[in-house]
Amino acid sequence: QKEVEQNSGPLSVPEGAIASLNCTYSDRGSQSFFWYRQYSGKSPELIMFIYSNGDKEDGRFTAQLNKASQYVSLLIRDSQPSDSATYLCAVNTGGGNKLTFGTGTQLKVEL
Amino acid sequence: GAGVSQTPSNKVTEKGKYVELRCDPISGHTALYWYRQSLGQGPEFLIYFQGTGAADDSGLPNDRFFAVRPEGSVSTLKIQRTERGDSAVYLCASSLRGADTGELFFGEGSRLTVL
Repeated sequence: QKEVEQNSGPLSVPEGAIASLNCTYSDRGSQSFFWYRQYSGKSPELIMFIYSNGDKEDGRFTAQLNKASQYVSLLIRDSQPSDSATYLCAVNTGGGNKLTFGTGTQLKVEL
Repeated sequence: GAGVSQTPSNKVTEKGKYVELRCDPISGHTALYWYRQSLGQGPEFLIYFQGTGAADDSGLPNDRFFAVRPEGSVSTLKIQRTERGDSAVYLCASSLRGADTGELFFGEGSRLTVL
């Protein structure tokens, strides 16, 4: 079992719709969870982090964490073509200072 | 500069050669990470420095890979006897303290191609 698992996609949504991206992780000791966005040919950039169970909202983005189910998700409301990118789920593992990434989900927002 | 700087941006080498990749982190960031990313994959952890010391090198694939950070700032990833399978984008990231409490700032990467 991979430490961090994501569906590679592509996930296609129409402009204005809600995009839902999911991630599961295996290390029950993980405390910090991150979503990074990576445009093609560019480096990853942080868009959200979440530490506590429940929802955390930041503009059009909502991160959801369920530690009991070892599940973290990212919702993007009112999706825009500029949101088209690969979204990487990252989890701190190995005692806290090692960030392990999933393979990423490619999101395509279509006009 | 303001961000993480990596050089070279592109490196083409022949199988069996030695390669050095350099990372200049954001000033004041004590934590420095090296990752490797292959096409269609997420970044794969290689090594983490806290200051001058390698706090976790569990991701280095074998003894051909080595990294240093002698003064706690610039880091160099060294690859000996390169193999075609080493071809990837090597990403460096820095953080003020570490991954558990802060975000990682990535450089643009060094694309290594081994022919």
